[in-house]
Amino acid sequence: GQSLEQPSEVTAVEGAIVQINCTYQTSGFYGLSWYQQHDGGAPTFLSYNALDGLEETGRFSSFLSRSDSYGYLLLQELQMKDSASYFCAVRDYDKIIFGKGTRLHILP
Amino acid sequence: DADVTQTPRNRITKTGKRIMLECSQTKGHDRMYWYRQDPGLGLRLIYYSFDVKDINKGEISDGYSVSRQAQAKFSLSLESAIPNQTALYFCATKGEGSYNEQFFGPGTRLTVL
Repeated sequence: GQSLEQPSEVTAVEGAIVQINCTYQTSGFYGLSWYQQHDGGAPTFLSYNALDGLEETGRFSSFLSRSDSYGYLLLQELQMKDSASYFCAVRDYDKIIFGKGTRLHILP
Repeated sequence: DADVTQTPRNRITKTGKRIMLECSQTKGHDRMYWYRQDPGLGLRLIYYSFDVKDINKGEISDGYSVSRQAQAKFSLSLESAIPNQTALYFCATKGEGSYNEQFFGPGTRLTVL
């Protein structure tokens, strides 16, 4: 089966950098995705890593180490609008399993 | 118009009732998914489908059934609703193969009394 572990909550200051970690156990692995969900909204796609290394998209970066079954999402220059829940998700072919999510609190 | 739509958006029903949640998409994607979201438990996969003839169970399929009526339509049924099926339900779509992004509908909030 699959399981993903990520912290339930993280708090950071506006303008700072925060890292949200995700470890996973899967029977098959095609890649790791990250999604953002604001309260009352639907999840929206942020990034995807199929290979080891860092992917950068604006203020957001995502990292993957397949040998460690580990990835993280890095958010830079935090803004209040980044207050949301963040989910990592493992892709096993096209079966996609989500972690329980990390609630990001941003302090002014 | 939204690419992925869900109906109804909110539903209150009673224990033992049959209920159907519907999902439609205009993205032309083959892959469609149903998830439920509960506070603190993230999104859990109920069923997923690669095409009209391919339906697969997810993590928590017991108590649910699905129907893929067409490439664009994927319905989730609760044959006999129970209170612990109270949750927020999301439908999602994905393109084939290397297209990695899932597109989510707005969600259906279901309450079973």
